[in-house]
Amino acid sequence: NAGVTQTPKFRVLKTGQSMTLLCAQDMNHEYMYWYRQDPGMGLRLIHYSVGEGTTAKGEVPDGYNVSRLKKQNFLLGLESAAPSQTSVYFCASSGGSQPQHFGDGTRLSIL
Amino acid sequence: DAKTTQPPSMDCAEGRAANLPCNHSTISGNEYVYWYRQIHSQGPQYIIHGLKNNETNEMASLIITEDRKSSTLILPHATLRDTAVYYCIVRYRGQTGANNLFFGTGTRLTVIP
Repeated sequence: NAGVTQTPKFRVLKTGQSMTLLCAQDMNHEYMYWYRQDPGMGLRLIHYSVGEGTTAKGEVPDGYNVSRLKKQNFLLGLESAAPSQTSVYFCASSGGSQPQHFGDGTRLSIL
Repeated sequence: DAKTTQPPSMDCAEGRAANLPCNHSTISGNEYVYWYRQIHSQGPQYIIHGLKNNETNEMASLIITEDRKSSTLILPHATLRDTAVYYCIVRYRGQTGANNLFFGTGTRLTVIP
């Protein structure tokens, strides 16, 4: 079972560059989420989606954009990367009130 | 939104029960308590959740006090593979109805051989 798959697993960017993180789930879940985790801290919600074509802001949305064009995919974009966005990014999905299932993370470094 | 308070770290001897406490004194009536754990830098793994009653599954038991202001996660026979950071989370509903989770810093459980 694939579950939640994140692409890429690692990436190094220069300040000002842009990139897109891809999250794919094969569980037909309605809800999808993007979190970031900084060293020694818990996860913080960036954006989330309650269904195809919908997105909403979480706790720390600034500097990020998201899109949910297909139910199984949730994309996280950084238009102009900053060193403060160096973090580990986790994607999750859930069906209704069911527990969230997480991917293995994307480790992003911005120089 | 209800927040949670957990001890930053705990140790437990291998084979013994690990009891992880959590305070959530501002929890509202329709908010669930969720427990997740994170091993090394992997994605969080769901363990168990509950509303009022005690819950048990193949991984753990969840004991929620009658006033719902605190709970305890019990790993009945801790193994070395249970060494992880354990998060106690109160689920809340976002503006659009999603069941968002608020992660604190959790409890780092170390199982000692």
